[in-house]
Amino acid sequence: GNSVTQMEGPVTLSEEAFLTINCTYTATGYPSLFWYVQYPGEGLQLLLKATKADDKGSNKGFEATYRKETTSFHLEKGSVQVSDSAVYFCALSDPNFNKFYFGSGTKLNVKP
Amino acid sequence: GAGVSQSPRYKVTKRGQDVALRCDPISGHVSLYWYRQALGQGPEFLTYFNYEAQQDKSGLPNDRFSAERPEGSISTLTIQRTEQRDSAMYRCASSLGGAPNQPQHFGDGTRLSIL
Repeated sequence: GNSVTQMEGPVTLSEEAFLTINCTYTATGYPSLFWYVQYPGEGLQLLLKATKADDKGSNKGFEATYRKETTSFHLEKGSVQVSDSAVYFCALSDPNFNKFYFGSGTKLNVKP
Repeated sequence: GAGVSQSPRYKVTKRGQDVALRCDPISGHVSLYWYRQALGQGPEFLTYFNYEAQQDKSGLPNDRFSAERPEGSISTLTIQRTEQRDSAMYRCASSLGGAPNQPQHFGDGTRLSIL
C-alpha cells in the first residue's frame, strides 16, 4: 500500500540554523511527491513537488530531492527564519488512483 | 474567487443532528477532494470527484457520510446522525485534474465539533 512517514516534531531551531525534516514513503508504482506547509490559522499550501526520481523541488529556499533508492524526500533549508514556523506535511500522489497520502506533519518552531 | 472556499468555518452541533459542509473549488478545477484531519495528524482522504462523477469514496468511514457535486463545481459533504467521533477539521481541495501529479489547492477547512 501507500504511506508516508515523517519525523515527529516539534523541531525547534534558532534563526539561521540548517533545517532537515525527514520523510520516507512506501508506494506501489511511481508516485509524485510533495511538501505542503500550514501556517498558523491557515490552510495547507503547496511548498514544492517532484514528479520523478532524482528530481529536485525547490521554493522559498526550501529543497527536497526525490530519492527512489532510499524512498525518501527530505525537506531542507540552509537558513531558517522565524516566518518559517509552521507545520510541514510530506505527501505522495498515487498515479494509479489519483489519491493523495499525507504524513502526520512536523511542527517547526524557529526562535529569534 | 481566487481560492478554494469552504463554509461554514466552524460548526458546532449536537450529537444525532445532520450536518452539511460546503466546498466551492477554484474555477475551472476538474478534481475535487474531501479530507478529514484530526488534531496533530495529516489530512486523511475521504472521497474525490472528477467533474460531477464521484471517482473514489473508499475513504468515507461509514454510510452516514456522503458527498455530491451535482453540477461539477460546488460540492457538499453530508454527515447524518452525527457522533462525537466525527469531530475534526474537514478540508476540501481542488486541482486542475488530468494528471495525478497536479498539486492540490486547499481551503481553510470547516472545524466540526459534535457535543
